[in-house]
Amino acid sequence: DAKTTQPPSMDCAEGRAANLPCNHSTISGNEYVYWYRQIHSQGPQYIIHGLKNNETNEMASLIITEDRKSSTLILPHATLRDTAVYYCIVIGDSGYALNFGKGTSLLVTP
Amino acid sequence: SQTIHQWPATLVQPVGSPLSLECTVEGTSNPNLYWYRQAAGRGLQLLFYSVGIGQISSEVPQNLSASRPQDRQFILSSKKLLLSDSGFYLCAFGVRLFNYGYTFGSGTRLTVV
Repeated sequence: DAKTTQPPSMDCAEGRAANLPCNHSTISGNEYVYWYRQIHSQGPQYIIHGLKNNETNEMASLIITEDRKSSTLILPHATLRDTAVYYCIVIGDSGYALNFGKGTSLLVTP
Repeated sequence: SQTIHQWPATLVQPVGSPLSLECTVEGTSNPNLYWYRQAAGRGLQLLFYSVGIGQISSEVPQNLSASRPQDRQFILSSKKLLLSDSGFYLCAFGVRLFNYGYTFGSGTRLTVV
């Protein structure tokens, strides 16, 4: 699996946009970028995924650079409930990821 | 709808005791099934995955084993637990017909004492 690199922690004020970066410089052409988040002591929750194009759903937007070596997850209006650990992973033909890394711990403050 | 059930939610076991964690999936057929472990302060590590009944692949050597006796049932076991087996265990499934990815269970917090 292509490895990903994320900052260990970030802060964001409530109501502001949270922009979480991820580097995946060794990603292959058929590998997707997935984002999950994990609230303490719960299973990770799917947020969004993409291959080449930017994606948006009811939870977030995913911006993938043209060279696909990095991406940014955007939570447009962060709330206190968005405080969680956010994982960026790459999944290819195998259909799974060997590990999720430590992710980014996002703290949304009032 | 597709759902996943994992139990128990918490478990405290003495060193040397056996372990059995169960995971079942509903609402889909022939899913890929996964067991992950998350040690304190660390990311999720894939332990086992299965693409079909009786087919188990192990990613990390350890004293744990997995079995898939039925299409939608995945069991994580150990004959003798070690202190280092403590952690948060997560079961997940993926549906091959779609763009991969996972749906996770709620996890089991295992403490070996």
